[in-house]
Amino acid sequence: ETGVTQSPTHLIKTRGQQVTLRCSSQSGHNTVSWYQQALGQGPQFIFQYYREEENGRGNFPPRFSGLQFPNYSSELNVNALELDDSALYLCASSARSSGRDEQFFGPGTRLTVL
Amino acid sequence: GQQVMQIPQYQHVQEGEDFTTYCNSSTTLSNIQWYKQRPGGHPVFLIQLVKSGEVKKQKRLTFQFGEAKKNSSLHITATQTTDVGTYFCLLLGISNFGNEKLTFGTGTRLTIIP
Repeated sequence: ETGVTQSPTHLIKTRGQQVTLRCSSQSGHNTVSWYQQALGQGPQFIFQYYREEENGRGNFPPRFSGLQFPNYSSELNVNALELDDSALYLCASSARSSGRDEQFFGPGTRLTVL
Repeated sequence: GQQVMQIPQYQHVQEGEDFTTYCNSSTTLSNIQWYKQRPGGHPVFLIQLVKSGEVKKQKRLTFQFGEAKKNSSLHITATQTTDVGTYFCLLLGISNFGNEKLTFGTGTRLTIIP
């Protein structure tokens, strides 16, 4: 296993609610990236955090926000949930400042929005 | 935005046959990574290519980066049932705002007929 953990494993929410997903990065890693993976699709880049600052962002609306803490763990927050937000949310940690090194993925959080 | 086509979308092969997936970008890449995702699992890093025309081998897997750094391929010789999964390329680049942007290819799903 990679040493990257995510919680919770599964989550069911209703439309309009808010959700917080958590990720603990591998020891020694200072960069965390978040991805959304819909069923049968490739992961879509949401954003990346390096040393507590957002270092890059994909094409996701502002209701997707994040945090990285001094211990390099991270949170993904999604407000005003929509049905299309149902997906597997993956976080990945890496060691380099630019995130250009190997990414170690966690097992993901399966979010279902009803 | 950046277009990342991966072909084919699906590939069914007899065990022992070869398999190739191609990743094509509309822009020149700084580097590219390849990942494998088993059914129900998370992406696992395979390799990173950086140099124009680079070729790397891992046992039965051969990875190639195009001379123009706009395309890449993954070739598996004599497939085995353990090769089953979806193979993704990951493009690492810089957005128009100078931040990190990571784009996964559409993926090629490999199934093996024993």
